[in-house]
Amino acid sequence: AQKITQTQPGMFVQEKEAVTLDCTYDTSDPSYGLFWYKQPSSGEMIFLIYQGSYDQQNATEGRYSLNFQKARKSANLVISASQLGDSAMYFCAMGLSNFGNEKLTFGTGTRLTIIP
Amino acid sequence: SQTIHQWPATLVQPVGSPLSLECTVEGTSNPNLYWYRQAAGRGLQLLFYSVGIGQISSEVPQNLSASRPQDRQFILSSKKLLLSDSGFYLCAWKILNRRNTEAFFGQGTRLTVV
Repeated sequence: AQKITQTQPGMFVQEKEAVTLDCTYDTSDPSYGLFWYKQPSSGEMIFLIYQGSYDQQNATEGRYSLNFQKARKSANLVISASQLGDSAMYFCAMGLSNFGNEKLTFGTGTRLTIIP
Repeated sequence: SQTIHQWPATLVQPVGSPLSLECTVEGTSNPNLYWYRQAAGRGLQLLFYSVGIGQISSEVPQNLSASRPQDRQFILSSKKLLLSDSGFYLCAWKILNRRNTEAFFGQGTRLTVV
């Protein structure tokens, strides 16, 4: 069975500092994808970044980067130069892709608050 | 372009009443479809997912059910709501068998059972 764990229920970070949100996962499937989503108070889910299990390089998207350590089964999100608008819930998710049977499982989330 | 519609946006229902939430996707065919529930301040719990018409996988046994009568339509139902069914329900779609694509979410339905 697949499992996603986010151990930080909440984090407070000073504006302009970098922040790392932790995510560990567990699966026996060799082919999987890891995702990070942002959920502001409005409730919408905003896709941030993706990392494939076979990708050799860590994914980056603007101020977001994913620190993928396959042996440790971790996929931490790093936000550089945090901004007030980064305050939100952040979810890590894992998708498996066995043909015709694709689950997408989310962690419990981390509430990030950026302090001015 | 692809869009996902989910309605209603908010709903207040009495305990014991039925429920029907509808989700439709436009601009794509044969998507994977998902229903999630999010309790207040909590994470997303996968309720159901579907890889095709009439194909439903249930993740959590409860008094909810899902149906996919058409390729791009996903319905979440209940015959009798419980107080514990309150929450934020999110529908999502994803390209079938493409692990390297993200899921796209609807705007959500905030359900309050009273």
